[in-house]
Amino acid sequence: GESVGLHLPTLSVQEGDNSIINCAYSNSASDYFIWYKQESGKGPQFIIDIRSNMDKRQGQRVTVLLNKTVKHLSLQIAATQPGDSAVYFCAGGGKSYIPTFGRGTSLIVHP
Amino acid sequence: DTGVSQDPRHKITKRGQNVTFRCDPISEHNRLYWYRQTLGQGPEFLTYFQNEAQLEKSRLLSDRFSAERPKGSFSTLEIQRTEQGDSAMYLCASSLDRVGEAFFGQGTRLTVV
Repeated sequence: GESVGLHLPTLSVQEGDNSIINCAYSNSASDYFIWYKQESGKGPQFIIDIRSNMDKRQGQRVTVLLNKTVKHLSLQIAATQPGDSAVYFCAGGGKSYIPTFGRGTSLIVHP
Repeated sequence: DTGVSQDPRHKITKRGQNVTFRCDPISEHNRLYWYRQTLGQGPEFLTYFQNEAQLEKSRLLSDRFSAERPKGSFSTLEIQRTEQGDSAMYLCASSLDRVGEAFFGQGTRLTVV
């Protein structure tokens, strides 16, 4: 099955800076990856996804990069705001497209 | 509200009791997932339904756990003879199809005392 993991448990940034959250995966057959944001006491919230036939996808203030050669993806958040403080998960879709989560990175934004 | 709804939000039960949680997915979403999440961990997949058919179960889903989605709409997750190790957040999610965005509910927090 898919195994995904975040590189750092905690990332601290200053408000206005750009944030980069990294994730590695193990199953090269996975062709779908999703980033989720989870605030305390709430369920995960979809941020952005990317298919394996892409290497970059952009959303509002977010960009996901996929490097299939080294099985790595990253989430870049531009102009990070205090409201971005949360735990971020990458999830691999696997062959059944069931989101499989890693441990998460806690993003702390300092004003 | 058209989001995924879970009930109850919190449940405290004594060890050995049975509990049942309900999930109402987004209308017309044919995929429904159950996950369990413990503190500091990511959500762990338990099982999923495609319409009323339960298509996959995780090894985490012991024989004390059962899930149903009788008419392909709402789903229930029952835990029999609860143990302290069952204490966790139980999350439900739904998606329109297999490659659709999965929307999560707020979860049911279970505490077994």
